[in-house]
Amino acid sequence: EDQVTQSPEALRLQEGESSSLNCSYTVSGLRGLFWYRQDPGKGPEFLFTLYSAGEEKEKERLKATLTKKESFLHITAPKPEDSATYLCAVQAVLGAQKLVFGQGTRLTINP
Amino acid sequence: NAGVTQTPKFQVLKTGQSMTLQCAQDMNHNSMYWYRQDPGMGLRLIYYSASEGTTDKGEVPNGYNVSRLNKREFSLRLESAAPSQTSVYFCASRDRESGKNIQYFGAGTRLSVL
Repeated sequence: EDQVTQSPEALRLQEGESSSLNCSYTVSGLRGLFWYRQDPGKGPEFLFTLYSAGEEKEKERLKATLTKKESFLHITAPKPEDSATYLCAVQAVLGAQKLVFGQGTRLTINP
Repeated sequence: NAGVTQTPKFQVLKTGQSMTLQCAQDMNHNSMYWYRQDPGMGLRLIYYSASEGTTDKGEVPNGYNVSRLNKREFSLRLESAAPSQTSVYFCASRDRESGKNIQYFGAGTRLSVL
């Protein structure tokens, strides 16, 4: 069974304090790993897709990396507007139509 | 550029009542999905439609039915609502054709069943 576990559940940082969110996964064969951002009361918003171990993607203060067992979302010098829930999901080769989501990490950046 | 539109945004039902959640996308995507999101559970797939005329069960289909009305619209029906169906429901469509395989989500429907 494909599974995704995110840690920590919640993270509170000061503005400018860099950190990383973790996404561990088990999947029969990885077609892609997706990161989404979700603001309160809104739907998930796509951030990145990673396809193979060693791949990295960057967008502003966010960088996503991928290994064979986990992905990290690194947040460098965060700002209060980076506060949101970050969701990780995997798409398996044999479950090509479906995404399996983790529970999310709720990130709060204090000014 | 509307993307994925869900209606209604909020709904309160009594146990046993029925209702249909509507979803429409204007991105010409073939695949569409219905998820529910509960605290601590993440997003769970209820049903999906790979293309117009086809539907398949996801992880938690019990108590729900779906209709892929046309390429744009995918509705979710609760025939006899139960308190366990209190949740936030999200519709998504997938950009498979470009090769990017990204799912785009609507703003959600917040449903309470009393």
